[in-house]
Amino acid sequence: QVQLQESGPGLVKPSETLSLTCTVSGFSISSGYYWGWIRQPPGKGLEWIGSIYHTGTTYYNPSLKSRVTISVDTSKNQFSLNLSSVTAADTAVFYCARDLGSGSYYAYWGQGTLVTVSS
Amino acid sequence: EIVMTQSPATLSVSPGERATLSCRASQSVSSNLAWYQQKPGQAPRLLIYDASTRATGLPARFSGSGSGTEFTLTISSLQSEDFAVYYCQQYNNWPHTFGQGTRLDIK
Repeated sequence: QVQLQESGPGLVKPSETLSLTCTVSGFSISSGYYWGWIRQPPGKGLEWIGSIYHTGTTYYNPSLKSRVTISVDTSKNQFSLNLSSVTAADTAVFYCARDLGSGSYYAYWGQGTLVTVSS
Repeated sequence: EIVMTQSPATLSVSPGERATLSCRASQSVSSNLAWYQQKPGQAPRLLIYDASTRATGLPARFSGSGSGTEFTLTISSLQSEDFAVYYCQQYNNWPHTFGQGTRLDIK
């Protein structure tokens, strides 16, 4: 059973970098699939942030591309999100997820973690 | 970037009745479309993929249809547990994009 768990600070100051890690269990990241980050501001809809393949190939939302980096650490079976120069508009629940092949729909999701940007 | 537009924003339906939710893409996404259900405080749950394939264990009252730019999610006889927010997502092109959601309320 594939399980994903987000972790990281729940509070980040404006202009700083938001860093989250997704720890995967029940499946080896190096075996394949795309691993993604999706966020949801309070009371709003889902926004796709980006995805990474186990080889390191990445795709990003153009609206966030200049501030986002997604990386993978196969030795720890984790992948990570860095979002720089954050503002209050970046406050959201962040989800990590795994697709079912070739950059597709997300079948497995973490429970989500709320990150608040505030001084 | 492909823009996904869902309608209506809110749909009020009585239990036992049929609900029809729509999703339109700004350009063709072939059949590369998924539907998710999200309840308060929970992560989204995959319902339908490839426009019409039900996810494992999904009740048969859920069905998806469409291709190209027009898609529909139908719930044939609403149960109390079906009242939630529903999102469509295209995965035909990067960046993958979600619709803004349809809230399904109890009438």
